[in-house]
Amino acid sequence: SQTIHQWPATLVQPVGSPLSLECTVEGTSNPNLYWYRQAAGRGLQLLFYSVGIGQISSEVPQNLSASRPQDRQFILSSKKLLLSDSGFYLCAWSSGRLPNTEAFFGQGTRLTVV
Amino acid sequence: LAKTTQPISMDSYEGQEVNITCSHNNIATNDYITWYQQFPSQGPRFIIQGYKTKVTNEVASLFIPADRKSSTLSLPRVSLSDTAVYYCLVGRRNTGGFKTIFGAGTRLFVKA
Repeated sequence: SQTIHQWPATLVQPVGSPLSLECTVEGTSNPNLYWYRQAAGRGLQLLFYSVGIGQISSEVPQNLSASRPQDRQFILSSKKLLLSDSGFYLCAWSSGRLPNTEAFFGQGTRLTVV
Repeated sequence: LAKTTQPISMDSYEGQEVNITCSHNNIATNDYITWYQQFPSQGPRFIIQGYKTKVTNEVASLFIPADRKSSTLSLPRVSLSDTAVYYCLVGRRNTGGFKTIFGAGTRLFVKA
């Protein structure tokens, strides 16, 4: 069966520090991968998605970047965090071959920038 | 991607049936309607998906009228553990990726 791992679960970082969140998927190949951000009490905002290694599409211009160095690895990064980067970050995957019926989400990383 | 509109919050009591309606006036011919459930500090999880008429699974039912401009998620006999945010999504099923727009969702509070 397929599983998605996302870490860390919580993170407190000072303003101006770098960020690296990692997400890996097991049990499938060539998945579509996504990074979302959720502000408190709000819906999910799609940040990046990837349909293959090295292929990244950005939905919202911002202080963040994403990379996909391996087929089942998706990394969210920032060189210098801002206070506004605080939020709940979620990684998700969906099938890259079959007509997509659903996306599967990780447990999320709660980032607090102080 | 079609925009969706759903109530911000709803209250219910244990054992009642809950119906959450979502409006999607600009739904396209190839769009499917999908509902997700999210508990606090967790990622959303898929509940049900449909294209037209009625779909039922072990968790919920989804009712879609002929014009497909709205849909209703029906949760039978809710329990306290059904307290969560429910998202209505509209999008295409295709092999090129599953980009979704999650709105604020509907916060369901189930009381004892």
